[in-house]
Amino acid sequence: QSALTQPPSASGSPGQSVTISCTGTSSDVGGYNLVSWYQQYPGKVPKVMIYEVNKRPSGVPDRFSGSKSGNTASLTVSGLLAEDEADYYCISHAGNFWLFGGGTKLTVL
Amino acid sequence: QVRLEQWGAGLVKPSETLSLTCVVYAASFDGYYWTWIRQTPGKGLEWIGEINYSGNTNYKPSLNGRATISADRSEKQFSLRLTSVTAADTAVYYCVGVGNGGLIPPGNWGQGTLVTVSS
Repeated sequence: QSALTQPPSASGSPGQSVTISCTGTSSDVGGYNLVSWYQQYPGKVPKVMIYEVNKRPSGVPDRFSGSKSGNTASLTVSGLLAEDEADYYCISHAGNFWLFGGGTKLTVL
Repeated sequence: QVRLEQWGAGLVKPSETLSLTCVVYAASFDGYYWTWIRQTPGKGLEWIGEINYSGNTNYKPSLNGRATISADRSEKQFSLRLTSVTAADTAVYYCVGVGNGGLIPPGNWGQGTLVTVSS
């Protein structure tokens, strides 16, 4: 069970939108609507931004949205702000366990 | 406010066993999957395993049976043992309370323990 595939980096200018992908297989991402996205700042614990593919916990701005198509889940951040610069990780249920993606460093230019 | 507090040895010799324990405050022990997640310094997150309120456990298959998670409901504690450690097991280990759907609410993370595997 390899880690889910995320691009190592992504970037965008303030106000723009950026989409981060998370690719797995039919045994994980494609098989369950149980994909979450976490945001992590250096030295801090991760914070959930999206769960169950497209649900947003209370307190998370609606600039963050999630979707899934086949074996690939995506996190879209709209109206980029400087504070969105962080690492983002996806995680998917994979049957009896959970798999993380390798993480994507989002840079706001 | 849920709070998780963890402790354990920060230095473990190669081939020996890593042991960590986490106590849960202000939360129903039955309400979550009690999970261990680790993060290699400067790198990504790795899900290790979980135990639920019934004592059922699941582990990451690639750990090849080296991980064991146990719980003491009366003390609201759960523990991780990882045997035959190598340098590759050096990481910050977090205890985490995971809700339904894989949701980890803010505050449901322990403070993290840096475990270094070295002789």
